[in-house]
Amino acid sequence: DVKVTQSSRYLVKRTGEKVFLECVQDMDHENMFWYRQDPGLGLRLIYFSYDVKMKEKGDIPEGYSVSREKKERFSLILESASTNQTSMYLCASPPGGEGPDEQYFGPGTRLTVT
Amino acid sequence: AQSVSQHNHHVILSEAASLELGCNYSYGGTVNLFWYVQYPGQHLQLLLKYFSGDPLVKGIKGFEAEFIKSKFSFNLRKPSVQWSDTAEYFCAVNEDYKLSFGAGTTVTVRA
Repeated sequence: DVKVTQSSRYLVKRTGEKVFLECVQDMDHENMFWYRQDPGLGLRLIYFSYDVKMKEKGDIPEGYSVSREKKERFSLILESASTNQTSMYLCASPPGGEGPDEQYFGPGTRLTVT
Repeated sequence: AQSVSQHNHHVILSEAASLELGCNYSYGGTVNLFWYVQYPGQHLQLLLKYFSGDPLVKGIKGFEAEFIKSKFSFNLRKPSVQWSDTAEYFCAVNEDYKLSFGAGTTVTVRA
């Protein structure tokens, strides 16, 4: 059974803090994605990675960075958290190395920045 | 970037009613299309997908969707909903290796 896990389900941080969101997949997939989900806006792609140490900006990368040192782990970093980054963050990974395919999603991390 | 439009923000219906959720995408040549569902408190999961072939695709839990290329649409249907279909539904379209999602439709089924 495929699995994408995220380090926290709920997180509360203060404005200006550096925040790390961790995602791990046990499927040996090359591609991993970070989205944020907001009511009325659906899911928006922040960053994705197609290999270790490789990353690409998505549609809304501002205020975020990522790290992929190992194939199974993809971290999203908020360098200086702001209240407008309060959101649900979803990690996902598709099974295939080539071409588009369905994405397997983690349970999400609900981040609140106060 | 692909633009994906879901016509309804919130749909409320009674059990046994039929459901149709609209999805349109911007033109982009060959597309792969998906419907995802998120039940309350659960992960996003795939309902169905279209890559090629028969434009009428069947998914899990009695859902189906029809791809109409000329209308850039991929509407989701279920002939008779159940209370357990209460969820948020997302249409998605691939662009290269990325998915673009619609804003989502919340479906509430009243018992």
